Amino acid sequence: SAVISQKPSRDICQRGTSLTIQCQVDSQVTMMFWYRQQPGQSLTLIATANQGSEATYESGFVIDKFPISRPNLTFSTLTVSNMSPEDSSIYLCSVVREVGYEQYFGPGTRLTVT
Amino acid sequence: AQTVTQSQPEMSVQEAETVTLSCTYDTSESDYYLFWYKQPPSRQMILVIRQEAYKQQNATENRFSVNFQKAAKSFSLKISDSQLGDAAMYFCAPSTIQTGANNLFFGTGTRLTVIP
Repeated sequence: SAVISQKPSRDICQRGTSLTIQCQVDSQVTMMFWYRQQPGQSLTLIATANQGSEATYESGFVIDKFPISRPNLTFSTLTVSNMSPEDSSIYLCSVVREVGYEQYFGPGTRLTVT
Repeated sequence: AQTVTQSQPEMSVQEAETVTLSCTYDTSESDYYLFWYKQPPSRQMILVIRQEAYKQQNATENRFSVNFQKAAKSFSLKISDSQLGDAAMYFCAPSTIQTGANNLFFGTGTRLTVIP
């Protein structure tokens, strides 16, 4: 398994501002991902965070809105930019130690945009 | 992309009884993995069980087991001797691996209530 922490655990932000969410893993992992879970919905993959290169975004998500960094094998950040109330969601990071194996999830960040 | 269908938005089970949650999926890949995750009110996603598509034997993890029918693209979860702590949202999630991506595709979830 993996021990994953996310900061902040929750935040309330004003429209038009940006929030950076941090994801820290207790040991090196092969892959890191960012998901969004809108209220009452399932999880949707935002992007794969690539170490040392640009993230790989899923359809419907763009770098200008959700810039992602992954400076090393244990840490990643997701920024939600120019927020609107529609961005109110839980944002989760997950990690994989080896391709093909299970993903482990962080505790999530609950974001409310007013 | 894969599509995942969980046709039971809500299920309930009496404590100590058995319940089965259904999941069907669509994929063009021949090799992949399938997972069930649970999400209790704490919102932490917890891995319940994992199945490799190339294995015919159904995975079992304590009180949790799956019925994997590859040809039918069906992957149901059986919970035996249900406990109050099993109450949660359950998500079925196939994973694509052939591109090395390891992406998970989540179903819409089944909310399980356990009745004391």
